[in-house]
Amino acid sequence: DTAVSQTPKYLVTQMGNDKSIKCEQNLGHDTMYWYKQDSKKFLKIMFSYNNKELIINETVPNRFSPKSPDKAHLNLHINSLELGDSAVYFCASSQAGTGISPLHFGNGTRLTVT
Amino acid sequence: AQSVAQPEDQVNVAEGNPLTVKCTYSVSGNPYLFWYVQYPNRGLQFLLKYITGDNLVKGSYGFEAEFNKSQTSFHLKKPSALVSDSALYFCAVRDMSNFNKFYFGSGTKLNVKP
Repeated sequence: DTAVSQTPKYLVTQMGNDKSIKCEQNLGHDTMYWYKQDSKKFLKIMFSYNNKELIINETVPNRFSPKSPDKAHLNLHINSLELGDSAVYFCASSQAGTGISPLHFGNGTRLTVT
Repeated sequence: AQSVAQPEDQVNVAEGNPLTVKCTYSVSGNPYLFWYVQYPNRGLQFLLKYITGDNLVKGSYGFEAEFNKSQTSFHLKKPSALVSDSALYFCAVRDMSNFNKFYFGSGTKLNVKP
């Protein structure tokens, strides 16, 4: 009964490949996010969806494409992977509205591009 | 611009001693502040938040934080540290003009020695 689950946990692939990461939340939240954590542990928001609508799209290369089939799922597809894409990617969710709802994170997907 | 600073990369404390992890913020208006903890190979877990009201907020695992408006600080504290508290701690502030955005500090590694 994990609240925010993402798969796979580890992803090792070669440069130039295309890969996807999946995320699902069972908290009933209406907003989902993708964050990237680099090797120095710095967290940076990439995308946010509210009820399947893209609401935040930070300066991310267009090789990254999020997709939200419904408000409980947010997937991340990455084309033409590069060495610099190696990082831990976290999915998160929260309830929109008054702003008091914290983020709930998945356990991350460690992507290694060789 | 809104931001959060965690001035210490690392904090070392002996088990049983009190601990403080520092956080300062810069926002326009009243801030919504959050603390998260990240254990190795895990996602961030919500610890506590300040929205309004009492300046001392209590959270999970015996942690508390003190909101100080004049010093624009929101330091995390615990009266008696445990070895199991060793982890990476992040302070975050919500963007008051866009509730879907959070700004995270750079993280502070807490080491509690037996």
